[in-house]
Amino acid sequence: GAGVSQSPSNKVTEKGKDVELRCDPISGHTALYWYRQSLGQGLEFLIYFQGNSAPDKSGLPSDRFSAERTGGSVSTLTIQRTQQEDSAVYLCASSREVSNTGELFFGEGSRLTVL
Amino acid sequence: SQKIEQNSEALNIQEGKTATLTCNYTNYSPAYLQWYRQDPGRGPVFLLLIRENEKEKRKERLKVTFDTTLKQSLFHITASQPADSATYLCALENGGYNKLIFGAGTRLAVHP
Repeated sequence: GAGVSQSPSNKVTEKGKDVELRCDPISGHTALYWYRQSLGQGLEFLIYFQGNSAPDKSGLPSDRFSAERTGGSVSTLTIQRTQQEDSAVYLCASSREVSNTGELFFGEGSRLTVL
Repeated sequence: SQKIEQNSEALNIQEGKTATLTCNYTNYSPAYLQWYRQDPGRGPVFLLLIRENEKEKRKERLKVTFDTTLKQSLFHITASQPADSATYLCALENGGYNKLIFGAGTRLAVHP
């Protein structure tokens, strides 16, 4: 597609439920990132994928969070047993390749509300 | 600990003036720094990148400086317009592979 696509754009769930957020990066972009943005806050790094390398999971806040990237393209961020503090906008970004020049192209985000 | 600081208070300026936003960081040695614009309800959009060996970078009405001694970047918008109103985020490379760490952003409001 022309840009990074994320779905759903909005998700309201009850505490304790599992949610899946999807990211479809720009075609040909080998690097994919997930960030989280809470209201009025900066972007918090969650996880990074690059090709077939092991992902950098250093930003995942707890073991309830996991992410996959299938076939080097689409990624799914899964949050198990959601808590109210998980409420935030989850942003996905992709970039062309690992280099010291790459700008990130962001999707519009998935707004998660945990009741 | 590592920290990126941007003015948390909104910056209000008059149309036509120059807006200057500040990004300070501690305990990083980034190879480059980027600035992004974010509008409400949207994802950030890349504006400029400046490398550690560059003092200044310009793009149209935008100018970015990078002082690795002061650990500071300044972002300037000249001849500001109401359409420039948005939140501006600075981001530092940390980890050697485009792992960007973002500041909380500064909201700019340009008044007619």
